[in-house]
Amino acid sequence: EVQLEESGGGLVQPGGSLRLSCAASEFTFSSYAMSWVRQPPGKGLEWVSTISGSGGSKYYADSVKGRFTISRDNFKNTFYLQMDSLRAEDTAVYYCAKDPYYDSSGYMYRGYFDYWGQGTLVTVSS
Amino acid sequence: EIVMTQSPVTLSVSPGERATLSCRASQSVSSSLAWYQQKPGQAPRLLIYDASTRATGIPARFSGSGSGTQFTLTISSLQSEDFAVYYCLQYNNWPPLTFGGGTKVEIK
Repeated sequence: EVQLEESGGGLVQPGGSLRLSCAASEFTFSSYAMSWVRQPPGKGLEWVSTISGSGGSKYYADSVKGRFTISRDNFKNTFYLQMDSLRAEDTAVYYCAKDPYYDSSGYMYRGYFDYWGQGTLVTVSS
Repeated sequence: EIVMTQSPVTLSVSPGERATLSCRASQSVSSSLAWYQQKPGQAPRLLIYDASTRATGIPARFSGSGSGTQFTLTISSLQSEDFAVYYCLQYNNWPPLTFGGGTKVEIK
């Protein structure tokens, strides 16, 4: 069974930084694109960022572009979200999620999510 | 950016009844549409992808239809475990990937 486990959430002051991690297991990690999706308290889902299996392609929502950086370490079966210049509106539960498309070259993906982690809460407040 | 609009915002249904949820795209997304179910305190769960294909392990009472700009999720006979929030997601033209605002299915 696919397992995704987020870590790194917490309370941070506006303007601060935080790095989220998502540890993956029970699938060929490097062959799948991975994403971050967030959900502010009591609100809906918002896509944040996606990275291809190879790590060569990265995409960001306009709301985080230039402040957040997605990366992955295929040897550690882990991917990350470095969040800088955090704002109050970044407060949310952050989920990591897996793309369903298997591509051994690590370049192709579908764009939806078949497995999700349980989420980690990021609170930006002074 | 493709805007996804779900209706209604809240749907009150009695157990055993049929529920019909709608999702409209601001421009065509072909059949690149997924549906998710989310219960309080839990991560979303994939129900339907490619507009009408049930994900692994999803009961047959869940069905999806539509293409282009209009999509429907139907729950044929609501069970107690189906009361939740449902989201649609388009993945035809991205970035950005865009979700609808959600429909809450509550007990009538």
